[in-house]
This record gives sequence, structure tokens and C-alpha cells, in this order.
Amino acid sequence: AQSVSQHNHHVILSEAASLELGCNYSYGGTVNLFWYVQYPGQHLQLLLKYFSGDPLVKGIKGFEAEFIKSKFSFNLRKPSVQWSDTAEYFCAAHAHNQGGKLIFGQGTELSVKP
Amino acid sequence: GAVVSQHPSRVICKSGTSVKIECRSLDFQATTMFWYRQFPKKSLMLMATSNEGSKATYEQGVEKDKFLINHASLTLSTLTVTSAHPEDSSFYICSASSKTSSHSTDTQYFGPGTRLTVL
Repeated sequence: AQSVSQHNHHVILSEAASLELGCNYSYGGTVNLFWYVQYPGQHLQLLLKYFSGDPLVKGIKGFEAEFIKSKFSFNLRKPSVQWSDTAEYFCAAHAHNQGGKLIFGQGTELSVKP
Repeated sequence: GAVVSQHPSRVICKSGTSVKIECRSLDFQATTMFWYRQFPKKSLMLMATSNEGSKATYEQGVEKDKFLINHASLTLSTLTVTSAHPEDSSFYICSASSKTSSHSTDTQYFGPGTRLTVL
């Protein structure tokens, strides 16, 4: 069955540190990949998505992610985090034959210390 | 664009009563809406997929008679929790998407969620 794994459950960083959150998916066919962010008390917002083309995807708020097909990975990165990036981050995937169903990873809680 | 609203944002009800939650796509037509349940410190669990004008498709383990889903129009889907019990207390989130010509499925846009507390 298709699954998405996020290896980091809770990441604590100081402001200006670099961020990389891991995401791996298990599906051999064509997938679309997403990163969503959920700020405290708010709803999920789309950070970025990969459908096809350039495997390095730029998103909002300075985030980017790289799709590495050989590693089944779609890690999220940001060169310098801010206190306002404190949130829960979810990686998600859906396969083209799954009727649009999104499979979510477990989520990674990011805490940025000012 | 791509705003999804949910109503109510919070609801408290007595055990045994039914609660209806609305999900609306405000500025686009949603061919498909999804209902999720999110537990504290947990990921989102897909409950069902709802296509306008047809019956919802429920995920394994989700009781269709307990969680009634109606997708009456391209901008509105409702989730009714029937005969609610304390274990149904949770955060329910809907999302909406619309098909584009270039992709078989499109991005999902999420509502703000509804906090249900069953006493």
C-alpha cells in the first residue's frame, strides 16, 4: 500500500539555522507530492507541490523541496528559519490512479527558538 | 483564490445527538471534496472522498452510517456525525479540489477545521 514517512517527529532549531525535513514515499508509479504547513491554531496551507518537470520546487516563504525519484524522497528545505516558521509540517502524496486521495506523513513539529 | 470554509468552527454536543458540519469552496467549483479526521499530535486520516452528485467513498474502517456525507453541489459538502459519542470527539477537516485538464487530480485546499466535542 502507498505510504508516506516523515522521519523527524520534532525538530528544534534556533533562528537562522538551516532546515531539512525528510519525506519518503512508497509507490512505484507516478506520484504528485506536496508539503503542507499548519501553523498553531490555523488550517493546513500548501507550501509547495511537485507534479512534473524540474525536481527542485520553490514554494512560498522561502521553502523549497527536491524530488529525488531514485530515493523516493521529497525533502523540504529552508536555508534560514525564522521564529514564525514554528508549525507542523506535513508531507503528502497521491498516485495518479487513486482518485485524488492524499496520503499524509505523520507530520513533523518544528519549533524555532528566537 | 482557492478558499475553503467550514462551519461551525467549534461544536459541543451531548452524547446521542447528531451534528452537521458544512464545507464550502468559496471561489471555485470543487468536483471532489475530502473529509479528514485529525487527532492531537497525529496526522490527518482520510475518512471519505465525496464527488458531487454521487455517493461518497469511505475508507476502510469508517462507518458510513455514522458519518453521513452529502455533496449536493459543486461548492458544498456536509458531514453529519450521527448519534455522536465521546470517542467521536476530534478535529474534522475538509478539503476541496477541482480537476484540471493537465492533471488527473489537482491540489487539495483545506478548510480551517471543526472541533467537535461530545459530552
